[in-house]
Amino acid sequence: DVQITQSPSYLAASPGETISINCRASKSISKYLAWYQEKPGKTNKLLIYSGSTLQSGIPSRFSGSGSGTDFTLTISSLEPEDFAMYYCQQHNEYPWTFGGGTELEIK
Amino acid sequence: DVKLVESGGGLVKLGGSLKLSCAASGFTFSSYYMSWVRQTPEKRLELVAAINSNGGSTYYPDTVKGRFTISRDNAKNTLYLQMSSLKSEDTALYYCTRQLGLGGGPFDYWGQGTTLTVSS
Repeated sequence: DVQITQSPSYLAASPGETISINCRASKSISKYLAWYQEKPGKTNKLLIYSGSTLQSGIPSRFSGSGSGTDFTLTISSLEPEDFAMYYCQQHNEYPWTFGGGTELEIK
Repeated sequence: DVKLVESGGGLVKLGGSLKLSCAASGFTFSSYYMSWVRQTPEKRLELVAAINSNGGSTYYPDTVKGRFTISRDNAKNTLYLQMSSLKSEDTALYYCTRQLGLGGGPFDYWGQGTTLTVSS
Protein backbone atom coordinates (compact mmCIF):
# COMPACT_ATOMS: atom_id res chain seq x y z
CA ASP A 1 0.00 0.00 0.00
CA VAL A 2 1.13 3.58 -0.61
CA GLN A 3 1.83 5.30 2.69
CA ILE A 4 1.06 9.02 2.83
CA THR A 5 2.90 11.16 5.37
CA GLN A 6 1.24 14.51 5.95
CA SER A 7 2.93 17.44 7.71
CA PRO A 8 2.61 19.34 9.88
CA SER A 9 -0.10 17.66 11.95
CA TYR A 10 -0.90 20.99 13.56
CA LEU A 11 -0.50 24.53 12.28
CA ALA A 12 -1.47 27.84 13.86
CA ALA A 13 -1.79 30.89 11.62
CA SER A 14 -3.53 34.26 11.43
CA PRO A 15 -6.10 35.47 8.89
CA GLY A 16 -4.37 36.99 5.90
CA GLU A 17 -1.32 34.71 6.15
CA THR A 18 -0.26 32.17 3.55
CA ILE A 19 0.30 28.59 4.69
CA SER A 20 1.45 25.32 3.19
CA ILE A 21 0.68 21.72 4.05
CA ASN A 22 2.77 18.88 2.67
CA CYS A 23 2.17 15.26 1.78
CA ARG A 24 4.80 12.72 0.89
CA ALA A 25 3.98 9.38 -0.70
CA SER A 26 6.04 6.24 -0.07
CA LYS A 27 6.34 5.75 -3.83
CA SER A 28 5.48 7.71 -6.95
CA ILE A 29 1.78 8.41 -7.40
CA SER A 30 2.29 10.49 -10.55
CA LYS A 31 0.04 13.55 -10.16
CA TYR A 32 -2.83 11.78 -8.42
CA LEU A 33 -3.23 13.48 -5.08
CA ALA A 34 -6.40 15.07 -3.71
CA TRP A 35 -6.94 17.50 -0.84
CA TYR A 36 -10.03 17.69 1.38
CA GLN A 37 -11.31 20.09 4.00
CA GLU A 38 -13.18 18.84 7.07
CA LYS A 39 -15.20 21.19 9.27
CA PRO A 40 -17.53 20.39 12.19
CA GLY A 41 -21.15 20.22 11.17
CA LYS A 42 -20.36 20.32 7.44
CA THR A 43 -19.73 17.59 4.92
CA ASN A 44 -16.16 17.07 3.74
CA LYS A 45 -15.18 19.17 0.77
CA LEU A 46 -12.93 18.18 -2.13
CA LEU A 47 -10.59 21.09 -2.77
CA ILE A 48 -8.06 19.87 -5.30
CA TYR A 49 -7.49 16.67 -7.26
CA SER A 50 -4.84 15.36 -9.62
CA GLY A 51 -2.30 17.38 -7.72
CA SER A 52 -3.28 20.84 -8.91
CA THR A 53 -6.78 20.84 -10.41
CA LEU A 54 -9.08 23.11 -8.44
CA GLN A 55 -12.47 21.57 -7.83
CA SER A 56 -15.43 23.56 -9.09
CA GLY A 57 -16.58 26.22 -6.65
CA ILE A 58 -13.38 26.27 -4.61
CA PRO A 59 -11.80 29.72 -4.16
CA SER A 60 -8.60 30.41 -6.06
CA ARG A 61 -6.69 31.09 -2.83
CA PHE A 62 -6.40 27.31 -2.61
CA SER A 63 -3.72 25.80 -4.82
CA GLY A 64 -1.97 22.48 -5.12
CA SER A 65 1.39 21.53 -6.52
CA GLY A 66 3.70 18.57 -6.81
CA SER A 67 4.09 15.26 -8.55
CA GLY A 68 5.76 11.95 -7.96
CA THR A 69 6.10 11.70 -4.19
CA ASP A 70 5.95 15.27 -2.88
CA PHE A 71 2.90 17.50 -2.87
CA THR A 72 1.86 20.80 -1.31
CA LEU A 73 -1.44 22.51 -0.55
CA THR A 74 -1.08 26.26 -0.31
CA ILE A 75 -3.76 28.56 1.07
CA SER A 76 -3.07 32.20 0.33
CA SER A 77 -4.52 35.05 2.40
CA LEU A 78 -6.28 32.86 4.93
CA GLU A 79 -9.93 33.64 5.52
CA PRO A 80 -11.66 32.91 8.85
CA GLU A 81 -13.62 30.05 7.23
CA ASP A 82 -10.39 28.28 6.21
CA PHE A 83 -9.54 27.20 9.74
CA ALA A 84 -10.33 23.51 9.61
CA MET A 85 -8.85 20.05 9.26
CA TYR A 86 -7.18 19.14 5.97
CA TYR A 87 -6.43 15.69 4.55
CA CYS A 88 -4.59 14.55 1.47
CA GLN A 89 -5.38 11.32 -0.37
CA GLN A 90 -3.68 9.48 -3.20
CA HIS A 91 -5.97 8.35 -6.01
CA ASN A 92 -3.34 6.71 -8.17
CA GLU A 93 -3.69 3.10 -7.12
CA TYR A 94 -5.89 0.97 -4.88
CA PRO A 95 -6.06 0.93 -1.98
CA TRP A 96 -6.47 4.69 -2.09
CA THR A 97 -4.85 6.00 1.09
CA PHE A 98 -5.07 9.16 3.15
CA GLY A 99 -2.63 11.29 5.05
CA GLY A 100 -3.04 11.66 8.78
CA GLY A 101 -4.48 15.16 8.61
CA THR A 102 -3.43 18.72 9.45
CA GLU A 103 -5.35 20.80 11.96
CA LEU A 104 -5.21 24.47 10.96
CA GLU A 105 -6.07 26.72 13.88
CA ILE A 106 -6.31 30.44 14.37
CA LYS A 107 -3.28 31.94 16.10
CA ASP B 1 -28.07 19.97 -4.77
CA VAL B 2 -26.22 16.72 -4.29
CA LYS B 3 -27.23 15.05 -1.06
CA LEU B 4 -26.04 11.80 0.51
CA VAL B 5 -27.79 10.63 3.67
CA GLU B 6 -26.46 7.60 5.52
CA SER B 7 -28.44 5.46 7.92
CA GLY B 8 -28.23 2.14 9.71
CA GLY B 9 -25.35 2.69 12.08
CA GLY B 10 -25.49 1.48 15.65
CA LEU B 11 -24.00 -0.64 18.40
CA VAL B 12 -23.15 -4.22 17.41
CA LYS B 13 -21.45 -7.04 19.24
CA LEU B 14 -18.16 -8.55 18.10
CA GLY B 15 -18.81 -10.95 15.26
CA GLY B 16 -22.15 -9.39 14.47
CA SER B 17 -23.55 -7.94 11.27
CA LEU B 18 -25.05 -4.65 10.14
CA LYS B 19 -26.21 -3.08 6.90
CA LEU B 20 -25.71 0.59 6.13
CA SER B 21 -27.73 2.52 3.58
CA CYS B 22 -27.13 5.76 1.75
CA ALA B 23 -29.95 7.64 0.05
CA ALA B 24 -28.67 9.78 -2.81
CA SER B 25 -30.43 12.71 -4.44
CA GLY B 26 -29.72 15.72 -6.62
CA PHE B 27 -27.78 13.87 -9.33
CA THR B 28 -28.07 10.95 -11.73
CA PHE B 29 -27.09 8.23 -9.27
CA SER B 30 -26.76 5.52 -11.89
CA SER B 31 -23.98 7.44 -13.67
CA TYR B 32 -21.50 7.61 -10.80
CA TYR B 33 -19.11 5.35 -9.01
CA MET B 34 -19.79 5.36 -5.26
CA SER B 35 -17.78 4.42 -2.20
CA TRP B 36 -17.82 4.01 1.54
CA VAL B 37 -15.06 5.70 3.50
CA ARG B 38 -14.67 5.37 7.26
CA GLN B 39 -13.06 7.56 9.89
CA THR B 40 -11.73 5.87 12.99
CA PRO B 41 -11.90 7.38 16.48
CA GLU B 42 -8.26 8.38 15.92
CA LYS B 43 -9.48 10.41 12.90
CA ARG B 44 -7.77 8.17 10.36
CA LEU B 45 -9.62 7.90 7.03
CA GLU B 46 -9.86 4.63 5.10
CA LEU B 47 -11.61 3.63 1.87
CA VAL B 48 -13.51 0.44 2.69
CA ALA B 49 -15.48 -0.28 -0.48
CA ALA B 50 -16.11 1.09 -3.95
CA ILE B 51 -18.55 0.19 -6.70
CA ASN B 52 -18.84 1.22 -10.30
CA SER B 53 -21.92 2.86 -11.78
CA ASN B 54 -23.78 -0.30 -12.81
CA GLY B 55 -22.72 -2.37 -9.82
CA GLY B 56 -20.78 -4.83 -11.90
CA SER B 57 -17.38 -4.08 -10.40
CA THR B 58 -16.41 -3.66 -6.77
CA TYR B 59 -13.25 -3.03 -4.75
CA TYR B 60 -12.36 -3.83 -1.16
CA PRO B 61 -9.09 -3.39 0.71
CA ASP B 62 -7.69 -6.43 2.47
CA THR B 63 -8.86 -5.11 5.84
CA VAL B 64 -12.52 -5.79 4.98
CA LYS B 65 -12.39 -8.18 2.02
CA GLY B 66 -14.64 -11.17 2.59
CA ARG B 67 -16.51 -9.42 5.40
CA PHE B 68 -18.02 -6.33 3.73
CA THR B 69 -20.18 -6.19 0.62
CA ILE B 70 -21.03 -3.00 -1.24
CA SER B 71 -24.08 -2.91 -3.49
CA ARG B 72 -26.41 -0.42 -5.07
CA ASP B 73 -29.98 -0.14 -6.28
CA ASN B 74 -29.98 2.38 -9.09
CA ALA B 75 -33.78 2.31 -9.29
CA LYS B 76 -33.94 3.45 -5.65
CA ASN B 77 -30.90 5.75 -5.77
CA THR B 78 -29.49 3.90 -2.79
CA LEU B 79 -26.06 2.58 -1.87
CA TYR B 80 -25.55 -0.19 0.68
CA LEU B 81 -22.78 -1.67 2.79
CA GLN B 82 -23.38 -5.07 4.32
CA MET B 83 -20.90 -5.73 7.11
CA SER B 84 -20.38 -9.05 8.85
CA SER B 85 -17.90 -10.71 11.23
CA LEU B 86 -17.44 -7.28 12.75
CA LYS B 87 -14.29 -6.51 14.72
CA SER B 88 -13.52 -3.80 17.23
CA GLU B 89 -11.33 -2.09 14.65
CA ASP B 90 -14.40 -1.59 12.44
CA THR B 91 -15.66 0.97 14.96
CA ALA B 92 -15.81 4.21 12.98
CA LEU B 93 -17.90 6.88 11.36
CA TYR B 94 -18.92 5.57 7.93
CA TYR B 95 -19.29 8.04 5.10
CA CYS B 96 -21.10 7.51 1.83
CA THR B 97 -19.21 9.26 -0.96
CA ARG B 98 -19.67 9.98 -4.63
CA GLN B 99 -16.66 9.71 -6.90
CA LEU B 100 -15.76 12.56 -9.19
CA GLY B 101 -16.60 12.27 -12.86
CA LEU B 102 -17.93 9.27 -14.71
CA GLY B 103 -14.81 7.14 -14.37
CA GLY B 104 -14.38 6.99 -10.62
CA GLY B 105 -12.17 9.84 -9.46
CA PRO B 106 -11.65 11.03 -5.89
CA PHE B 107 -14.57 11.79 -3.56
CA ASP B 108 -16.37 14.95 -4.61
CA TYR B 109 -19.38 14.63 -2.31
CA TRP B 110 -19.63 13.18 1.19
CA GLY B 111 -22.52 12.46 3.49
CA GLN B 112 -22.60 13.39 7.17
CA GLY B 113 -21.80 9.82 8.17
CA THR B 114 -23.33 7.12 10.34
CA THR B 115 -21.55 5.67 13.35
CA LEU B 116 -20.78 2.01 13.94
CA THR B 117 -19.61 0.89 17.34
CA VAL B 118 -18.50 -2.72 17.76
CA SER B 119 -18.31 -3.88 21.33
CA SER B 120 -17.71 -7.08 23.22
